[in-house]
Amino acid sequence: GQNIDQPTEMTATEGAIVQINCTYQTSGFNGLFWYQQHAGEAPTFLSYNVLDGLEEKGRFSSFLSRSKGYSYLLLKELQMKDSASYLCAVISGGSARQLTFGSGTQLTVLP
Amino acid sequence: ETGVTQTPRHLVMGMTNKKSLKCEQHLGHNAMYWYKQSAKKPLELMFVYNFKEQTENNSVPSRFSPECPNSSHLFLHLHTLQPEDSALYLCASSFRDSNEQFFGPGTRLTVL
Repeated sequence: GQNIDQPTEMTATEGAIVQINCTYQTSGFNGLFWYQQHAGEAPTFLSYNVLDGLEEKGRFSSFLSRSKGYSYLLLKELQMKDSASYLCAVISGGSARQLTFGSGTQLTVLP
Repeated sequence: ETGVTQTPRHLVMGMTNKKSLKCEQHLGHNAMYWYKQSAKKPLELMFVYNFKEQTENNSVPSRFSPECPNSSHLFLHLHTLQPEDSALYLCASSFRDSNEQFFGPGTRLTVL
C-alpha cells in the first residue's frame, strides 16, 4: 500500500528557518513533490526530487533520501505569506502518473 | 484565461440534485485528473484521463461520473450525492509523460 507521513502542524517565527519532514512507504517510486496550498486555493508546485540529494530554489530547498524513504522541505528567511499547508506527494509511476499525497503540514508563521 | 480553471467555485446541492463540475486547461496538456480533498485528509486521486481516455478509476462510487470530451475539458457529473461527499474537488492537468501536475482552484462542494 501507500503511506505518507508528515507532521500535522508546525509553528515558526518570521525570519527563521523551518524544516518539514516527510516519510513514505510506497509501491514504486518515480519522484517526490512538495506543494504549497493556501487556504481555499489550489496547490502550487514547489519542488520535485527524483535523485538523492538537495535541490535548492531560492528560499526553499528540498532533500531526498530514497534508501530511507525520507524527504524534507527547508524554508529559510520565513515570511508571513509562507503560512500555508505544505503537501508531500509521491508519484508511483506507470502510465497513470498517480500522485499519492500526505495529509499536509499546516505551517503558521508568527511575527 | 490561463492555467487551469474550474467552475463553479462553490456549489451547494441537495442529495437528490444533479449537477456538474467543469474544468478547463489552457496549457496544452494531454492528461487530466480529478482529486477530492476532504478536511484533515490527504488529497485523493479519483480519476485520470490520458488523451481523453479514462485510465484510472480509484474505486470511486458511481454517483460520480467523469466525462472528458477533449484534452482541454473535463467534467464531473454528480447525482444522488451524500453529505460525506462534501469536499473540495480539484482538477489538475499535465503532459502525459511529465510528473508535474498543475492544479485548478477547486470547487467547494457542500451536500445538504
